[in-house]
Amino acid sequence: DVKVTQSSRYLVKRTGEKVFLECVQDMDHENMFWYRQDPGLGLRLIYFSYDVKMKEKGDIPEGYSVSREKKERFSLILESASTNQTSMYLCASSDRWGTEAFFGQGTRLTVV
Amino acid sequence: GNSVTQMEGPVTLSEEAFLTINCTYTATGYPSLFWYVQYPGEGLQLLLKATKADDKGSNKGFEATYRKETTSFHLEKGSVQVSDSAVYFCALRGGTSYDKVIFGPGTSLSVIP
Repeated sequence: DVKVTQSSRYLVKRTGEKVFLECVQDMDHENMFWYRQDPGLGLRLIYFSYDVKMKEKGDIPEGYSVSREKKERFSLILESASTNQTSMYLCASSDRWGTEAFFGQGTRLTVV
Repeated sequence: GNSVTQMEGPVTLSEEAFLTINCTYTATGYPSLFWYVQYPGEGLQLLLKATKADDKGSNKGFEATYRKETTSFHLEKGSVQVSDSAVYFCALRGGTSYDKVIFGPGTSLSVIP
């Protein structure tokens, strides 16, 4: 059974903290993605990666960075968390030709 | 750039009613088109897809046909069930290997008994 696993389902952090969201896939996929999902705004792409150590900015990269040191792991980093980063974060992966994207369960992050 | 537009929700239907959720897209080249579904408290999962013009994707009684002439990929189901209550996302991916998946805003569907 294919799987994308996000390290936490729920996370509460304080303003100014550095936050790490981890995502691991077991399908040997080249592409990995981080989205945030907000009511009324749908899914917005933060960053994506099409290979180890490669990354591309999505539509809303400000305040975020990513790391992909190994093919199976894609980390999203909030350098200094702010309350407007309270959201649902979704990780996804796909093969090189994107025939299907597989999603993790999501991490609901609250910044207080 | 590429974009996806889908009908605003929320949509409320009675059980066994006919469902249509409209989706139109803007893209260069030959994108692949997808419908994803998100059940409450879960991540997204692929419902169906179509990779070229006139293809029909189908799954769990849902269907959508890739219409290049109208740049549309409308989702339909003949008889909805309470268990179909979810948020539905139309999405596209461009025709090159480095293209990202772009999602529409999502349409929330509630089916009442």
